[in-house]
Amino acid sequence: GAVVSQHPSWVICKSGTSVKIECRSLDFQATTMFWYRQFPKQSLMLMATSNEGSKATYEQGVEKDKFLINHASLTLSTLTVTSAHPEDSSFYICSARQPLAGSGELFFGEGSRLTVL
Amino acid sequence: DAKTTQPPSMDCAEGRAANLPCNHSTISGNEYVYWYRQIHSQGPQYIIHGLKNNETNEMASLIITEDRKSSTLILPHATLRDTAVYYCIVRPNTGFQKLVFGTGTRLLVSP
Repeated sequence: GAVVSQHPSWVICKSGTSVKIECRSLDFQATTMFWYRQFPKQSLMLMATSNEGSKATYEQGVEKDKFLINHASLTLSTLTVTSAHPEDSSFYICSARQPLAGSGELFFGEGSRLTVL
Repeated sequence: DAKTTQPPSMDCAEGRAANLPCNHSTISGNEYVYWYRQIHSQGPQYIIHGLKNNETNEMASLIITEDRKSSTLILPHATLRDTAVYYCIVRPNTGFQKLVFGTGTRLLVSP
């Protein structure tokens, strides 16, 4: 199946700093990517829909100024957690749909674990 | 909001079939049933999906009731590596519809 890759797979940062997470579609072009967040022992929560060349669409309750999303190319979307705090520590996961895939399934990255000290 | 209901956990012996149920009584006519699983500390993995007919692939079988209000994911010969959280999701198969995850079923496969 299609491959979606995230980098870094894990990151530790100090409170108040910003962290950027990359999501790449390795063998297909993705006009739309999705960003999720997952806290321990909880399900995935959709944060935003990232659209290539336009502004992201954020889910209710997600601060767009804190979680900056940029989808500058058809193979790359980035999530920047600005002024990170310990409560932002979480597992961040992206997903993408291959436009030519007739079955409609989304492919997920490996996830990026953020720990804010 | 998630439109599905799944048992929070299930156990299965290695080598036996694992049957994971899902209720989706409010499913719409254009919505498909998708199954994903998430192994600990990894991203979700697509398993299978269907509209109204039963489906089978190399990973699993999907049985959808005639009224489409429920379905069952079948892992025919569960292995220890099948231990994961299994999510049943309904969504249209058009455009770039987002996936909304429920709480899923935590399947534990034991020796």
